Amino acid sequence: DAKTTQPNSMESNEEEPVHLPCNHSTISGTDYIHWYRQLPSQGPEYVIHGLTSNVNNRMASLAIAEDRKSSTLILHRATLRDAAVYYCILRDPFTSGTYKYIFGTGTRLKVLA
Amino acid sequence: DADVTQTPRNRITKTGKRIMLECSQTKGHDRMYWYRQDPGLGLQLIYYSFDVKDINKGEISDGYSVSRQAQAKFSLSLESAIPNQTALYFCATSDPGQGAGGEEQFFGPGTRLTVL
Repeated sequence: DAKTTQPNSMESNEEEPVHLPCNHSTISGTDYIHWYRQLPSQGPEYVIHGLTSNVNNRMASLAIAEDRKSSTLILHRATLRDAAVYYCILRDPFTSGTYKYIFGTGTRLKVLA
Repeated sequence: DADVTQTPRNRITKTGKRIMLECSQTKGHDRMYWYRQDPGLGLQLIYYSFDVKDINKGEISDGYSVSRQAQAKFSLSLESAIPNQTALYFCATSDPGQGAGGEEQFFGPGTRLTVL
């Protein structure tokens, strides 16, 4: 199974950009890269996903390396509400053609006021 | 109202007891999942169901069973609870119609289970 590697924790100042890295050197050609975050005392929530091209949405941007062995989640202006654990996840197809997510331990982001 | 609800939100029980955790969703999704999260760790998949008649084991299904009573309801049971099943349990749903790459999972608020 393709796995991801993320730093255990990061800090950022409020209203500054945050770049959260993820390494996935064994990614397969058909694996999508998904990011979820888990706010304190809540279930995970979807942030963004992509395959090869960089992606933007209202929450964040996803920058994917050309060789797809790494990606970076970018929060353009961190707020206190962005303090959470961020998970970088690769789709993992079962042999039956269905899918599951493999959650690692994620990166705990601390936002300083 | 929340799209994915879980009951109870907190439960304390004793070793050997049978426990059922319930999940309901109003999103109309066919796919439902049960995850377990231990302190400081990521989520591990227990069981998943892609429709009412399709139930599959995940990574850590031993000691657990599930029932998909309807499209909207997916229950997780611990037949004889043990202390190392103390964890946070999450239910999730997804819609395969979003496409293979973009299937977003929607999570419930979680159930905190303590087995003494």
